[in-house]
Amino acid sequence: GNSVTQMEGPVTLSEEAFLTINCTYTATGYPSLFWYVQYPGEGLQLLLKATKADDKGSNKGFEATYRKETTSFHLEKGSVQVSDSAVYFCAQNYGGSQGNLIFGKGTKLSVKP
Amino acid sequence: NAGVTQTPKFQVLKTGQSMTLQCAQDMNHEYMSWYRQDPGMGLRLIHYSVGAGITDQGEVPNGYNVSRSTTEDFPLRLLSAAPSQTSVYFCASSLGHRSEAFFGQGTRLTVV
Repeated sequence: GNSVTQMEGPVTLSEEAFLTINCTYTATGYPSLFWYVQYPGEGLQLLLKATKADDKGSNKGFEATYRKETTSFHLEKGSVQVSDSAVYFCAQNYGGSQGNLIFGKGTKLSVKP
Repeated sequence: NAGVTQTPKFQVLKTGQSMTLQCAQDMNHEYMSWYRQDPGMGLRLIHYSVGAGITDQGEVPNGYNVSRSTTEDFPLRLLSAAPSQTSVYFCASSLGHRSEAFFGQGTRLTVV
């Protein structure tokens, strides 16, 4: 079935370090892929998205590329800040008429000054 | 812009009580859904709707009811609360089946 697997944290980095959070998916079709971010006590916000193979989503210094050959959508940032501390969720829309999302379990990122 | 509004933000219920979690969106989105978030489980789909008058079950529908009488509103009803329903509940809406979802701020529910 359709699923999303992402690396489980927590991940602790120093400020200005490089960030990678791995995400892979299984899907019967060609889903759209998303990264959402959840700051403490808040709802989920869309961070970036990609709707087809080889698309690169980017926002606020974060990037992820839709890799159909490896069924992956890894999140990267070259230099993290303390303000990036949050929980990050990878998700896919499995493309049916329902428009619903399948989420990974989330990765908690803590960035230390 | 209000976006997706959920009420209440916090609620404590006793086992067996019923209540309704409210969700409203002002973006004229056809798609709305309810998720619950539990530690280590990510978000799981409870119920969803693809338009007014149309609802369907998600991954974990037991113990919950929904209705969609208008495009704007999508309430979630707990029929007889159980401690297993202690969770954070999120309502979301989206424009279409390949579009991103917009989330409310969540309702933290504790059932004692």
